[in-house]
Amino acid sequence: EPEVTQTPSHQVTQMGQEVILRCVPISNHLYFYWYRQILGQKVEFLVSFYNNEISEKSEIFDDQFSVERPDGSNFTLKIRSTKLEDSAMYFCASLPRQWNTEAFFGQGTRLTVV
Amino acid sequence: AQSVTQLDSQVPVFEEAPVELRCNYSSSVSVYLFWYVQYPNQGLQLLLKYLSGSTLVKGINGFEAEFNKSQTSFHLRKPSVHISDTAEYFCAVRAISNFGNEKLTFGTGTRLTIIP
Repeated sequence: EPEVTQTPSHQVTQMGQEVILRCVPISNHLYFYWYRQILGQKVEFLVSFYNNEISEKSEIFDDQFSVERPDGSNFTLKIRSTKLEDSAMYFCASLPRQWNTEAFFGQGTRLTVV
Repeated sequence: AQSVTQLDSQVPVFEEAPVELRCNYSSSVSVYLFWYVQYPNQGLQLLLKYLSGSTLVKGINGFEAEFNKSQTSFHLRKPSVHISDTAEYFCAVRAISNFGNEKLTFGTGTRLTIIP
């Protein structure tokens, strides 16, 4: 069964460093999302991406964040200068062309900023 | 804008007892409704979904949920819980549209703890 794949599963970085979280959505999906879950808290929407551009972003998604789909398969989330409060689980999700269905989530990347 | 309320942050239940996890939503448009489960240190797994049709939907692991439009609720139920049901449960909604890029909005989650 096809699945959304995220790498790495866990990343530790120093405050102020740049990180790139990678996602490989399911191949025929068209809509892509990043969500964040701070430890013990709710799952929060960060950004949605369609047709090679951001379609919606939350107030969390400030200038330190960016997304791109560089090669038509990978979908990346970049945090330019990490802060301690960026420590969280980051989930990638995708939706197929048939949009009236559920979003498929990856297993997440646990980012720890020290 | 849409929002999801899960009033119970923690629900302890004895093994083999029934359980109901509550979810209410608000939205200015029609929505799709979902329940996701998150086991300790794992990702999000879809438990069940309501897209259209019968308001009673059945999911994996013996769970079911009922969509009640008048009460804007989508409560999750299981008649007899097992130790392995210990997890965090998230209710989520997404607006119905023709574009598909509408975000999924999650509730704050309910931690279900099964007591042996």
